[in-house]
Amino acid sequence: DIQLTQSPSFLSASVGDRVTITCRASQDISSYLVWYQQKPGKAPKLLIYTASTLQSGVPSRFRGSGSGTEFTLTISSLQPEDFATYYCQQVNSFPLTFGQGTKVAFK
Amino acid sequence: QVQLVESGGGLVKPGGSLRLSCAASGFTFSDYYMSWIRQAPGKGLEWVSCIGYSRSYTNYADSVKGRFTISRDNAKNSLYLQMNSLKAEDTAVYYCARDLQAAAVGTVDYWGQGILVTVSS
Repeated sequence: DIQLTQSPSFLSASVGDRVTITCRASQDISSYLVWYQQKPGKAPKLLIYTASTLQSGVPSRFRGSGSGTEFTLTISSLQPEDFATYYCQQVNSFPLTFGQGTKVAFK
Repeated sequence: QVQLVESGGGLVKPGGSLRLSCAASGFTFSDYYMSWIRQAPGKGLEWVSCIGYSRSYTNYADSVKGRFTISRDNAKNSLYLQMNSLKAEDTAVYYCARDLQAAAVGTVDYWGQGILVTVSS
């Protein structure tokens, strides 16, 4: 199975900060990487797929990059509604797997 | 608008069975791959299973293979998950999910609200 490791697992930041989350895969997954945002008590929301394609309706401050085994999710200017947990997911091969999550909290 | 509504969750004893249903609306159900994804209390996301346009294509996580069966009824716009031989570690919120078209299988663009399954004696 392909393991995904996110770093950091927790980060505290302020509104307006630039935030970067890393997702590392245990083997090459090309660009088959997806990012989701989840708020407490809610279902996840699709942000980015194919590593860098912004889902319709998602603000442009979210940017995904990377390929192979290393990927990043960058929020250029953190907004109050962005405080949440972020998950990466590989859709390169079965079984599909998720990273352990990165919680972005208010500093 | 796209809606996915899960039902059938609840409390079940270890070794028992449960069948989850997901009623889909707001889109042409038969045109989409569908998935089940779960989240144990306070934990991360775990992909469980997916199904193609018809019943001919299915895939499962190792943790549920042989115990869970995914199916769909396109005439009823419904997705199902039959869960047998349930274990305590199956306790989770189960999400019904729709795959994004023209993306890799398992890329989810819509999620249900989730339904809790608790396995406990």
